[in-house]
Amino acid sequence: SQQGEEDPQALSIQEGENATMNCSYKTSINNLQWYRQNSGRGLVHLILIRSNEREKHSGRLRVTLDTSKKSSSLLITASRAADTASYFCATPHSGSARQLTFGSGTQLTVLP
Amino acid sequence: DGGITQSPKYLFRKEGQNVTLSCEQNLNHDAMYWYRQDPGQGLRLIYYSQIVNDFQKGDIAEGYSVSREKKESFPLTVTSAQKNPTAFYLCASSIQEGRQPQHFGDGTRLSIL
Repeated sequence: SQQGEEDPQALSIQEGENATMNCSYKTSINNLQWYRQNSGRGLVHLILIRSNEREKHSGRLRVTLDTSKKSSSLLITASRAADTASYFCATPHSGSARQLTFGSGTQLTVLP
Repeated sequence: DGGITQSPKYLFRKEGQNVTLSCEQNLNHDAMYWYRQDPGQGLRLIYYSQIVNDFQKGDIAEGYSVSREKKESFPLTVTSAQKNPTAFYLCASSIQEGRQPQHFGDGTRLSIL
């Protein structure tokens, strides 16, 4: 069952601009994770935000979580061509906290 | 250099054939997972294992089988019962439960001959 859904499905920006991706989910969660996937590769964990946190930073990444709206956003500042990838949010499975449910992702293209 | 190794990178299956995808980790993680990814889609969980000799079905287990005889290894067999096996298969591991970040291998792309 799909828990998180990313928006937009695809995003194209110029190098140096900021990129914002959103994730909405359906049921209460205790944490939300963001992952990146380069074409033809596995996923790489970026950041985990817990339900009692509103904002978290890691380098050029900023993640927010609004549990009242059941949504999260990932902001990449000063984007680079190397940021071109798909970005996924992941939440604990609605049926079992031992599993993660991934959204369908946002495909980000950063043009040089 | 710790990580997860999946092999082969590309695999072709003939009609009626079973194929096995390898996944090995040296991260000393208890939990391991298999996901299927179709083009432009997210990941769907096939099977997961929290401990040696124990595994659970995920959302799309039909046509697949797994074993967990060693902590380091979690092979996935795509059986002939899986009628649409063409996909990108990803193996992952985590320290323990699903809330922990998962570490992924670089995947196996399976196609039908």
